[in-house]
Amino acid sequence: AQSVAQPEDQVNVAEGNPLTVKCTYSVSGNPYLFWYVQYPNRGLQFLLKYITGDNLVKGSYGFEAEFNKSQTSFHLKKPSALVSDSALYFCAVRDMSSSASKIIFGSGTRLSIRP
Amino acid sequence: DTEVTQTPKHLVMGMTNKKSLKCEQHMGHRAMYWYKQKAKKPPELMFVYSYEKLSINESVPSRFSPECPNSSLLNLHLHALQPEDSALYLCASSQPFGEAKNIQYFGAGTRLSVL
Repeated sequence: AQSVAQPEDQVNVAEGNPLTVKCTYSVSGNPYLFWYVQYPNRGLQFLLKYITGDNLVKGSYGFEAEFNKSQTSFHLKKPSALVSDSALYFCAVRDMSSSASKIIFGSGTRLSIRP
Repeated sequence: DTEVTQTPKHLVMGMTNKKSLKCEQHMGHRAMYWYKQKAKKPPELMFVYSYEKLSINESVPSRFSPECPNSSLLNLHLHALQPEDSALYLCASSQPFGEAKNIQYFGAGTRLSVL
């Protein structure tokens, strides 16, 4: 069965410092991986995806993610955090056992950037 | 345009009421989804429509009834809800499974309160 794990409920970073939000996955076959962000009282916004190709994926708002097959990880990163990056972040994986377009979300990580 | 529009934004209903949530997209997507999200939790998939046909029902109680009148619209009819059904209801759309770019795009959600 496909799954993703986000081991940290909360990550706290000072503005201007680099940030990392961790995600590990468990899939059979090649993974389709996604990162979404949710601001308060809003829906989810797509940040980036990994399907195939370069292990470093660049996305919206200066975020990037590194796919590491040996460590089964897909960590979200940003070189310099902004206060406006404070939000709830979800890692997700395509459920390849489903004939429909179903994705499975991690439990979420709350990112808090202090000024 | 990557917009998914949900109405209403907020809804308060009694346990004997009948109400409907609406979702609309004009991106030409042929897969549409309903999710339920409790505070600080990941979205939980409820229903998936693919090419206007129900393809996934995640064992949702019959007091929730989805409808897909055409490829742009998705409704969720609500009847005899319980207070525990209070949540943020999210609609999403994507290209169906098998398409390379089947990223799910989310609406802002309807915040439902059942009294």
